[in-house]
Amino acid sequence: DAGVIQSPRHEVTEMGQEVTLRCKLISGHNSLFWYRQTMMRGLELLIYFNNNVPIDDSGMPEDRFSAKMPNASFSTLKIQPSEPRDSAVYFCASSQLRGELFFGEGSRLTVL
Amino acid sequence: GEDVEQSLFLSVREGDSSVINCTYTDSSSTYLYWYKQEPGAGLQLLTYIFSNMDMKQDQRLTVLLNKKDKHLSLRIADTQTGDSAIYFCAEVKEGGNKLTFGGGTRVLVKP
Repeated sequence: DAGVIQSPRHEVTEMGQEVTLRCKLISGHNSLFWYRQTMMRGLELLIYFNNNVPIDDSGMPEDRFSAKMPNASFSTLKIQPSEPRDSAVYFCASSQLRGELFFGEGSRLTVL
Repeated sequence: GEDVEQSLFLSVREGDSSVINCTYTDSSSTYLYWYKQEPGAGLQLLTYIFSNMDMKQDQRLTVLLNKKDKHLSLRIADTQTGDSAIYFCAEVKEGGNKLTFGGGTRVLVKP
């Protein structure tokens, strides 16, 4: 298996634009996590899904953020409209066993 | 509370042992984990320990858990330059699936 695949790896956009980050899970994994990493706040859990169902979205900053799992192997994280303070590295991770997460390489977002 | 705390930075000479410390506050934690993040990459699971264990050894890695003091440590024997990275400890509570990460310890291995 190729591991968790995220795209794009890098994105630079202007304030107000819509950003969509994508994630392909490892086959057979049933949990999906979206994290955000910044120097100031460290690693923050935004949302996680079990079996395609959102379980905890308490980390989603505000209504501008939304996440979906249209099927068992794919997820999107959308920011609309984007703001400079959203600049961060966004990680997707999948899991089959509790606590054993497999992370993607991350999507580095810069909002100007 | 759910805080997991780590020191920010550790510098060590190649060949020496590294010890990275972590404290957590939630006594209901069932599994505790150590993850490694190399520059420009995602986190990678190194090892984990169940809360009813005191110690776990895996090649150069030794995990020690003091449940009374809620203190977790990771010892890396014979530290190599490739061990330079950020190390995160994390906990999961019983019945849950949500990992709570510490802030990470940046380890710099000097030749």
